[in-house]
Amino acid sequence: DTAVSQTPKYLVTQMGNDKSIKCEQNLGHDTMYWYKQDSKKFLKIMFSYNNKELIINETVPNRFSPKSPDKAHLNLHINSLELGDSAVYFCASSQDLRRGGLLEQFFGPGTRLTVL
Amino acid sequence: AQSVTQPDIHITVSEGASLELRCNYSYGATPYLFWYVQSPGQGLQLLLKYFSGDTLVQGIKGFEAEFKRSQSSFNLRKPSVHWSDAAEYFCAVVPGTGGSYIPTFGRGTSLIVHP
Repeated sequence: DTAVSQTPKYLVTQMGNDKSIKCEQNLGHDTMYWYKQDSKKFLKIMFSYNNKELIINETVPNRFSPKSPDKAHLNLHINSLELGDSAVYFCASSQDLRRGGLLEQFFGPGTRLTVL
Repeated sequence: AQSVTQPDIHITVSEGASLELRCNYSYGATPYLFWYVQSPGQGLQLLLKYFSGDTLVQGIKGFEAEFKRSQSSFNLRKPSVHWSDAAEYFCAVVPGTGGSYIPTFGRGTSLIVHP
């Protein structure tokens, strides 16, 4: 019974390619997030969606485009991959944070992206 | 903007010893405070959180943390460490007031446990 799942777990690709990472949560949460963790373990939020609406969009290159087909899914598409995009990307979910629901965030296992 | 400092990059303890991981934050008001643990190759798991009330909070796996407003600190403690506690620990802060719910994470502290 995986709460937050991501696919793929590992992704190795060439510079310039376009790739997607998928995320699904079965917790019934309203809010989902994408985080990037660099090689020094620094974790930074990229995006957050609440009921398919973008509510947090940090300073992220527009090559990164999140897509939320429904509130249980938040996919991350990356165009024209660069070497600096190599990192571990985590998806997370929580209850609706805008209605005082900033409670526990549940994280997926991560997707290790390596750009060659 | 808020910031979170975890001054210790690595901490090494012997199994059975006590543990304290430090976290300091910089923010005008009292934010929401969290500690997460990340085991190797895994996502983050919430250990405990502080919103208001009792400044000593209990979490899972025998961890506790104490909020000290005067020191802007939220240190994580465990009286007796087990080998399975070896992991990366992250302190996180969310302002909460003024409609900002963007979390800021510390750089993490890597806990090494010797037998």
